[in-house]
Amino acid sequence: DAGVTQSPTHLIKTRGQQVTLRCSPKSGHDTVSWYQQALGQGPQFIFQYYEEEERQRGNFPDRFSGHQFPNYSSELNVNALLLGDSALYLCASSLRGQINTQYFGPGTRLTVL
Amino acid sequence: AQTVTQSQPEMSVQEAETVTLSCTYDTSESDYYLFWYKQPPSRQMILVIRQEAYKQQNATENRFSVNFQKAAKSFSLKISDSQLGDAAMYFCAYRRGGGTSYGKLTFGQGTILTVHP
Repeated sequence: DAGVTQSPTHLIKTRGQQVTLRCSPKSGHDTVSWYQQALGQGPQFIFQYYEEEERQRGNFPDRFSGHQFPNYSSELNVNALLLGDSALYLCASSLRGQINTQYFGPGTRLTVL
Repeated sequence: AQTVTQSQPEMSVQEAETVTLSCTYDTSESDYYLFWYKQPPSRQMILVIRQEAYKQQNATENRFSVNFQKAAKSFSLKISDSQLGDAAMYFCAYRRGGGTSYGKLTFGQGTILTVHP
């Protein structure tokens, strides 16, 4: 039973560029949430997708957008990268009927130079 | 807005000893869930234990147990018989029950646990 997978593992970009991060949920899960974790801090909720729509959003600017595909996988897009966007980006999946337990992927480390 | 506070940036324990990590939270909701997650250097966030607010009984998972004090809004994690593999960053997290808050976890700042052999 495959767990949550994320790609790529690491990414280096320069200011102003755009980036796309990918997440495949745990088998059987239909809901994907994205979190940003700055170094030494707790994760911050970005947004959540299910039924291919953004259902809830945290306090992040419109530069952060996402998508969910029919197979429940998801992408996180960040435009006009800033130095402050450097962080670990975590994806978590869950099953709507059992939303209380989220399973996290290993994360993508994004460095913006 | 809900907030979660972990007042211990770092804790240490000797192998085989017991350690308690503290967490307090602030909410006006009556229906919610609390979690402890472990994040080792590999970065993978692993669920350690979960507590439903409506349950009076404290959750237990093998060597891990919680002390849930709803009135005091306190949710501490006790690790018994500490092992070297317990060394990690531990996060306390809150999730509102039901409604439209599916899946939004609010995390504390984390506590780094060091286990000494």
